[in-house]
This record gives sequence, C-alpha cells and structure tokens, in this order.
Amino acid sequence: GAVVSQHPSRVICKSGTSVKIECRSLDFQATTMFWYRQFPKKSLMLMATSNEGSKATYEQGVEKDKFLINHASLTLSTLTVTSAHPEDSSFYICSARDQGGGSLNTEAFFGQGTRLTVV
Amino acid sequence: AQKVTQAQTEISVVEKEDVTLDCVYETRDTTYYLFWYKQPPSGELVFLIRRNSFDEQNEISGRYSWNFQKSTSSFNFTITASQVVDSAVYFCALSGNDMRFGAGTRLTVKP
Repeated sequence: GAVVSQHPSRVICKSGTSVKIECRSLDFQATTMFWYRQFPKKSLMLMATSNEGSKATYEQGVEKDKFLINHASLTLSTLTVTSAHPEDSSFYICSARDQGGGSLNTEAFFGQGTRLTVV
Repeated sequence: AQKVTQAQTEISVVEKEDVTLDCVYETRDTTYYLFWYKQPPSGELVFLIRRNSFDEQNEISGRYSWNFQKSTSSFNFTITASQVVDSAVYFCALSGNDMRFGAGTRLTVKP
C-alpha cells in the first residue's frame, strides 16, 4: 500500500510552546488529509479534514486557533498545536487519501502517529 | 450522520479459540467503504481489510474472515484459532467523505 510518513513520532514540549507535526504522502498525491486524536484506551476522534489549497474543516469542539492545519502541497499537511498545555498531551495520527482514481471512497493510509507529551 | 458501533469493549480468549468482533454501522450514503484496522501497543494502525458497499461477499484471509451483511448494517470480523500475537485493539471504520472509527475492541489472547 501507499506510504504516509508522520514526523516526529514522539515529542515532549514545555507548556506554552508550540509543536508542529508533519504528515507526508510519499508515493501518491493526497488532496485530502485527515487529522485524528486518540486519548489512551480511546478511539480515534477526527479533528479536522485538511484540503490542499484551502482552509481545513474542523469538527465540532475542535479549536481551530489552537490546532492550526496547513495543507500547502499535495504531499504535505502540518498540524501545529499552539500554546500547548498538558491536556493537549495525546496521540495524534494523520491519514491521507489517495485520490488518483478520482473517487472519494478510497482507502486512507495512516501515518505512524505522534505521541505528544506536554510538561 | 455516519456512525460506527463496536459494542464489545474488551474480549479475552485463550489461545486457539475463535473470536468474533462485532461492528455495526449507520450511514445515509449509498456508496461507502468499511474497514478493519489493528492497533498494536506501538500505536500504529495496521490495515486489515476494505470492503465496498456493493460487495457483500464474505472474505477469508488466512485465519481472518469477515462477514458483511448490508441488511443488518454489520461487518463482523472473526479470528480463527487465535494467537497471542493477535492481542491488540481492533477498529472498525466507515468511509464516506471522511473516515469515522468505532470505539475499538481490545482483544487479549492468553497463552
């Protein structure tokens, strides 16, 4: 299957600082990428849908000013957690949909995830 | 609205037992995809299967099999002769314009 690379895999940051997480599709173009958040022993919750060249669509309850998403190219989307606080500590996973065939209902490929710890 | 329900939060079996993980979904879309993913302790999601809404054929892959029944909106996953390495959290997901996950089922296979 296609490869999605997410970086970094782990990050520890101080409270009040910002952290950027990158999601790259390595061998396909992804006009749409998704960002998920997973709390311990919980499911993946969709945070936002990132569309190349346009503003991201955020799910209800997700602060767009806190979780900045930039999808500047067909292979890269970034999630920046601004002014991070301990409650932002979580596992963040991105996924990218290969839309080469033009269909929206194709498999989404997942990055390895980023474990963020805010101290 | 799209919704995926995995009613079984945790399942524990002894090695070599068969186990079925349930998944029930809701969608208004006529075209959609269903997925199963495995998430081991490392956190990475491992793709297991994709099934489109027009293909109700059951599928078998080694010890894994899937039963898709549109009439009951279910997409159940069976592991035959379970092994300790099957221990993980398993997620069922529904894809339309975005992808929604069920709550997950934590499977523990004891030796």
